[in-house]
Amino acid sequence: DIQMTQSPSSLSASVGDRVTITCRASQGISNSLAWYQQKPGKAPKLLLYAASRLESGVPSRFSGSGSGTDYTLTISSLQPEDFATYYCQQYYSTPLLTFGGGTKVEIK
Amino acid sequence: QLQLQESGPGLVKPSETLSLTCTVSGGSISSSSYYWGWIRQPPGKGLEWIGSIYYSGSTYYNPSLKSRVTISVDTSKNQFSLKLSSVTAADTAVYYCARHSDYYDSRDDVSTFDYWGQGTLVTVSS
Repeated sequence: DIQMTQSPSSLSASVGDRVTITCRASQGISNSLAWYQQKPGKAPKLLLYAASRLESGVPSRFSGSGSGTDYTLTISSLQPEDFATYYCQQYYSTPLLTFGGGTKVEIK
Repeated sequence: QLQLQESGPGLVKPSETLSLTCTVSGGSISSSSYYWGWIRQPPGKGLEWIGSIYYSGSTYYNPSLKSRVTISVDTSKNQFSLKLSSVTAADTAVYYCARHSDYYDSRDDVSTFDYWGQGTLVTVSS
């Protein structure tokens, strides 16, 4: 199984800050990675796929990068509505799909 | 706009079978390129993919749950369902159904969950 490790598990940031979240796979996943945002009591929302491609309707302040085993989600200027928990998901080993443990972005 | 809605009992006794149904509206469950999946989230924890089904009935499951999971589809009702047998307290979670987009678009492989239901909490307790 491919394990996905996110870091940090939580972070505190202010509105306007640049925020970076990392996801590391236990083996290379060739950009087969998606990112989701989840707000309390709500279902996750797809933000990016193929490591760096923005889902339709997602603000351009969200971006993704990486290769091999290491990937990052960056929020260029944190907005009040961005405080949430973020998950990565690998699909390199389709049909077995696995999520990272999540990163909670809190208000400083 | 595609919408998904989970339904089923919110309380299940240990050793019994958890049964949930997802009703899809605003689109056909028989669309090509799409599977339909179940994902769960224990309280305060992360996401776990359970399994996915194609409208033809082709399924694939998380190996960690495979021995206890059955996912089925009813195209006439635009629904798909989850059964999880021999449940324990560890199966207490919010269960989500979702559209599972699985395709190659000439640039990349894609296998993501792009539409989700609101989720339903299932508690396993006597």
